[in-house]
Amino acid sequence: EPEVTQTPSHQVTQMGQEVILRCVPISNHLYFYWYRQILGQKVEFLVSFYNNEISEKSEIFDDQFSVERPDGSNFTLKIRSTKLEDSAMYFCASSATPGGAYNEQFFGPGTRLTVL
Amino acid sequence: SQQGEEDPQALSIQEGENATMNCSYKTSINNLQWYRQNSGRGLVHLILIRSNEREKHSGRLRVTLDTSKKSSSLLITASRAADTASYFCATGGGSNYKLTFGKGTLLTVNP
Repeated sequence: EPEVTQTPSHQVTQMGQEVILRCVPISNHLYFYWYRQILGQKVEFLVSFYNNEISEKSEIFDDQFSVERPDGSNFTLKIRSTKLEDSAMYFCASSATPGGAYNEQFFGPGTRLTVL
Repeated sequence: SQQGEEDPQALSIQEGENATMNCSYKTSINNLQWYRQNSGRGLVHLILIRSNEREKHSGRLRVTLDTSKKSSSLLITASRAADTASYFCATGGGSNYKLTFGKGTLLTVNP
């Protein structure tokens, strides 16, 4: 069964460093998302992406964050200058049609980001 | 106010018993989805119920939706130890794409 994959599974970085989290969505999906979950808290929406542009973003997704689909298969989340509070599990998701409002989103296993 | 609040926060039952988790939400929705998360792992989609549906079944799962009360319940019948996980409801609605998650219910099924 097709699935969303994410790499790395765990990333440790120093405060102020840039990190890139990678995701390979399900191959025929067109809508892509990033969410994060700080330990013990809710899963929070960061951004959705369709047709090579951001379709929606949350207040969390400030100028330190960016997303890109550099080729036909990868979807990346870049954090330019990491802060301690960016430590969280980051989930990538994809859907065939607009998710959220209409259809299910399929989530990857997550990347645990630890900022020291 | 927060969208998607589950209760109870934690539930401990014996194998073979049924588990019921509830979710309440605040705003209008197009659908409500339930996800499972094993400790420290990813989110697994369980079931989606649309706003014009009242009940849906999938295997041992039964989901109900009451839009007048803005609430949903997830019933797991004949629970197994492998059902031990956190269960989240997530709502989607309006013209946006995002899912809004609740805090989840931690279900422990004791063998």
